Amino acid sequence: GENVEQHPSTLSVQEGDSAVIKCTYSDSASNYFPWYKQELGKRPQLIIDIRSNVGEKKDQRIAVTLNKTAKHFSLHITETQPEDSAVYFCAASKVTGGGNKLTFGTGTQLKVEL
Amino acid sequence: ETGVTQSPTHLIKTRGQQVTLRCSSQSGHNTVSWYQQALGQGPQFIFQYYREEENGRGNFPPRFSGLQFPNYSSELNVNALELDDSALYLCASSLAGGYGANVLTFGAGSRLTVL
Repeated sequence: GENVEQHPSTLSVQEGDSAVIKCTYSDSASNYFPWYKQELGKRPQLIIDIRSNVGEKKDQRIAVTLNKTAKHFSLHITETQPEDSAVYFCAASKVTGGGNKLTFGTGTQLKVEL
Repeated sequence: ETGVTQSPTHLIKTRGQQVTLRCSSQSGHNTVSWYQQALGQGPQFIFQYYREEENGRGNFPPRFSGLQFPNYSSELNVNALELDDSALYLCASSLAGGYGANVLTFGAGSRLTVL
């Protein structure tokens, strides 16, 4: 089955700096790569996703890049703000007509310091 | 449009007991997935239901079972509870069928503590 590794496990940045979180996956058939943000005691919330037919996607301060050959994808957050502090999870799956079964990474605790 | 709702939010059980967790999917979604999130870990896929049938299962024993109802709501049942079953159980709904679909929306979860 799919295996997703995520690094680093913790990341501390100064407000305004950029943050980068990296993930690798094992199953070359995976075609969907979402990123979720989970604040303490809250539900995971989708912040951005990318599908295997594109190499990069941006949404304001957030971007995701995908390298299918190397089987890795990364989350980039620019101009970080204190409200970006949370745990971020990457995930991978092979989407089929019948559904989407995500394999998650172990999470990155991001702390944005003033 | 309503989001994914789960009940109960918290519950405490003892070893050997049975538990049922409930989930109402987001309006317009037809697929429900269940995930187990242990403290400090990423969610782990338990199983998924589509058209009232199990459509994929993760590495969980048969004492984890589920149902999906005609209105797309779902239940997760766990028998013979063990201490390691203590976790946050997350339900996620999605709309199956097509490359642009299948985006998961999560509920807030049910926090199960087994003593």
